[in-house]
Amino acid sequence: GESVGLHLPTLSVQEGDNSIINCAYSNSASDYFIWYKQESGKGPQFIIDIRSNMDKRQGQRVTVLLNKTVKHLSLQIAATQPGDSAVYFCAVRGRGAQKLVFGQGTRLTINP
Amino acid sequence: NAGVTQTPKFQVLKTGQSMTLQCAQDMNHEYMSWYRQDPGMGLRLIHYSVGAGITDQGEVPNGYNVSRSTTEDFPLRLLSAAPSQTSVYFCASSYSYGLPDTQYFGPGTRLTVL
Repeated sequence: GESVGLHLPTLSVQEGDNSIINCAYSNSASDYFIWYKQESGKGPQFIIDIRSNMDKRQGQRVTVLLNKTVKHLSLQIAATQPGDSAVYFCAVRGRGAQKLVFGQGTRLTINP
Repeated sequence: NAGVTQTPKFQVLKTGQSMTLQCAQDMNHEYMSWYRQDPGMGLRLIHYSVGAGITDQGEVPNGYNVSRSTTEDFPLRLLSAAPSQTSVYFCASSYSYGLPDTQYFGPGTRLTVL
């Protein structure tokens, strides 16, 4: 089955810098990838998604990169703000599967 | 739209007690699911449903039951609570699982089993 891992459980960046959060997955047949943001005491909130037929997708201040060769997914946040402080999860869906597998999350802390 | 709602927000149970966590969505979503989130871990799927009358097991189904009699509601039942079920429970829904689709999460229920 699918397993999803993260490179760092915590990440600390200076306000205004760019943040990069990484995620690795195991199943090369995975076809859909999502990044969620979870603030303290709240449920996960959708940030951005990408399908396996794409390598890059951009949103507002966020970019998701997908490298299928090494089964790696990353979330880039531009000009990090205090409101970006949260735990970020990647989630992966295997082709034809009816469920998502979540990584363990990276806690992003913004230093003033 | 209220989105995905969950009740209660907090609950304390004694070992062996049973209870039902409620989840409702008003977006006419076909797909609904329950996750549990433990400290330092990601979300683990308990049960899911692809439509009314259809449910299936996720990664950690033991000790939990679900039913889906309507599109809107997807209650999670703890049959005999155990301390290992102390966790934060999230309900989520999405329009369909036939296509790539994001899931919308409720605010969570924090459950403590003594």
